[in-house]
Amino acid sequence: SQQGEEDPQALSIQEGENATMNCSYKTSINNLQWYRQNSGRGLVHLILIRSNEREKHSGRLRVTLDTSKKSSSLLITASRAADTASYFCATDPFSGGYNKLIFGAGTRLAVHP
Amino acid sequence: DTAVSQTPKYLVTQMGNDKSIKCEQNLGHDTMYWYKQDSKKFLKIMFSYNNKELIINETVPNRFSPKSPDKAHLNLHINSLELGDSAVYFCASSSRDSQETQYFGPGTRLLVL
Repeated sequence: SQQGEEDPQALSIQEGENATMNCSYKTSINNLQWYRQNSGRGLVHLILIRSNEREKHSGRLRVTLDTSKKSSSLLITASRAADTASYFCATDPFSGGYNKLIFGAGTRLAVHP
Repeated sequence: DTAVSQTPKYLVTQMGNDKSIKCEQNLGHDTMYWYKQDSKKFLKIMFSYNNKELIINETVPNRFSPKSPDKAHLNLHINSLELGDSAVYFCASSSRDSQETQYFGPGTRLLVL
């Protein structure tokens, strides 16, 4: 069954605005990751947050993790047209040491100039 | 100098045919994966190999057979193709030292007619 579910499914904003995407999951995890997929391309790793971390930053990205609520959020500040893409959260559940990522269905972000 | 490459990029074929997709990574990684992304963009792991050994085998029809001739290659052979096999297939790899971060190939778009 699907582990991560992103919310919203689609988000349309203007350049310069912030974009917030949420992810919920069902089981205990080692870590949670966010990936970006540009149209017709493969996924690119953005950021990883471990289960014992609550917040992490990378450039214009800010990720939070609430393990009690089994949820995470990705904030992109000062968005640019180049940020237009689909964003996926992926959880790494406890799976016997194997890196078995379980992806949600993604949030499609459109940033308009 | 592509990190994870897949061939072919596009594959259009008739139902009942047998086809193969090839994946190669030049990152020196130990672990490789196959994912299937359906028309709703939902990405699901199919197989994973570590040092040529199968370590993850999700509930996938046995018409799908992965093969890893060496650490740098993971191929996917599909027998008796069905309409429902139409999807984008992504190969990915990760290293022993950083098992969490996965590097994805550009995808193979398979259309079964």
